[in-house]
Amino acid sequence: AQTVTQSQPEMSVQEAETVTLSCTYDTSESDYYLFWYKQPPSRQMILVIRQEAYKQQNATENRFSVNFQKAAKSFSLKISDSQLGDAAMYFCAVPERGQGNLIFGKGTKLSVKP
Amino acid sequence: DGGITQSPKYLFRKEGQNVTLSCEQNLNHDAMYWYRQDPGQGLRLIYYSQIVNDFQKGDIAEGYSVSREKKESFPLTVTSAQKNPTAFYLCAIPQGRGTGELFFGEGSRLTVL
Repeated sequence: AQTVTQSQPEMSVQEAETVTLSCTYDTSESDYYLFWYKQPPSRQMILVIRQEAYKQQNATENRFSVNFQKAAKSFSLKISDSQLGDAAMYFCAVPERGQGNLIFGKGTKLSVKP
Repeated sequence: DGGITQSPKYLFRKEGQNVTLSCEQNLNHDAMYWYRQDPGQGLRLIYYSQIVNDFQKGDIAEGYSVSREKKESFPLTVTSAQKNPTAFYLCAIPQGRGTGELFFGEGSRLTVL
């Protein structure tokens, strides 16, 4: 069965600094996508970034980037120049085989200090 | 305005009452999903439907029921058999071609008193 593990229940970062959120997963698929979602206090789930597993190049979206290590099944999210609006829950997710849904980690609560 | 709409946003019910949460989409997607979110638990799949008139149980289907009579609608009923129904409920549809990415509604917060 596929699993997603986020080992950091809470993280804190100073405004303008960089923070990295960890995620490891297990899947039997050879070609798949990986996702990071953000859930701010409004509770709307927002896609932050996606990574195609067959691409060696790490995905980047403005201040957000990933460090994807396929062999290690690791998919960490780096947030650069942290802003107050980055404070949220962050979830790592991987597709479940054959069903079309996503399997989520338990999330990391990120606090940003001014 | 295209997208996915969940209602109500907040719902309070007495213990033992059935409650139905609405999820409507106008993006013509075949598949729809219901998740439950509890603090510290992430999102867990309750039910999903990949086509009209068909649906499948997810990981935590006990105490819930769904229907899929129309493509655009996938209502979730929280029955009195659900032992701990207080939670945040999210409905989702696929986004992106075959990537597995999901697009979520704004959610419904159910509190059972």
